[in-house]
Amino acid sequence: DAKTTQPPSMDCAEGRAANLPCNHSTISGNEYVYWYRQIHSQGPQYIIHGLKNNETNEMASLIITEDRKSSTLILPHATLRDTAVYYCIVRARAISNFGNEKLTFGTGTRLTIIP
Amino acid sequence: DGGITQSPKYLFRKEGQNVTLSCEQNLNHDAMYWYRQDPGQGLRLIYYSQIVNDFQKGDIAEGYSVSREKKESFPLTVTSAQKNPTAFYLCASSIGTGESYEQYFGPGTRLTVT
Repeated sequence: DAKTTQPPSMDCAEGRAANLPCNHSTISGNEYVYWYRQIHSQGPQYIIHGLKNNETNEMASLIITEDRKSSTLILPHATLRDTAVYYCIVRARAISNFGNEKLTFGTGTRLTIIP
Repeated sequence: DGGITQSPKYLFRKEGQNVTLSCEQNLNHDAMYWYRQDPGQGLRLIYYSQIVNDFQKGDIAEGYSVSREKKESFPLTVTSAQKNPTAFYLCASSIGTGESYEQYFGPGTRLTVT
């Protein structure tokens, strides 16, 4: 799996958009970009994933550069409950229905939402 | 509600004792995983199972054992051979359907061995 690089910490004002960057310069053509977050002392929570196109769901938007070497997770209107560690992960596309490939978590970005 | 249950949330044991952590899911997922997390660190894979009666070692399997007798259950035993067992243990499950196979995590068990 390609490795990722994220800033160790970021602050964002409540109500503003939080933009979390991730570099994955060695990503290969069949690898997806996944984002998870972990609120203190809880299990990680899936946020979003994408391959080439930008993606949006009810939680966030994912912007992937055209060369796919970096991406940005956007939380459009950050709230205090968005304070968490955010993990950017790249993973090869599943080739079976078992979904058995492991996720490799780095140390992520600790996002703090400021009131 | 569908989800993953881990119990207990906090567990305390004396050094030299084996301890088993519970993980149950009612999501009908085939694959299940155990991860370990140390303070300030990311998750590291201990064991994973694709189907019942089958499991594979992850990156840090030494000192741990698992079983998968039922689809819903994937207990982890931390043996006395694990040199540094105090950690936060997370269980996850997934079902892959093409390009979308996110893992769903349980709430975790924090194990303290003294």
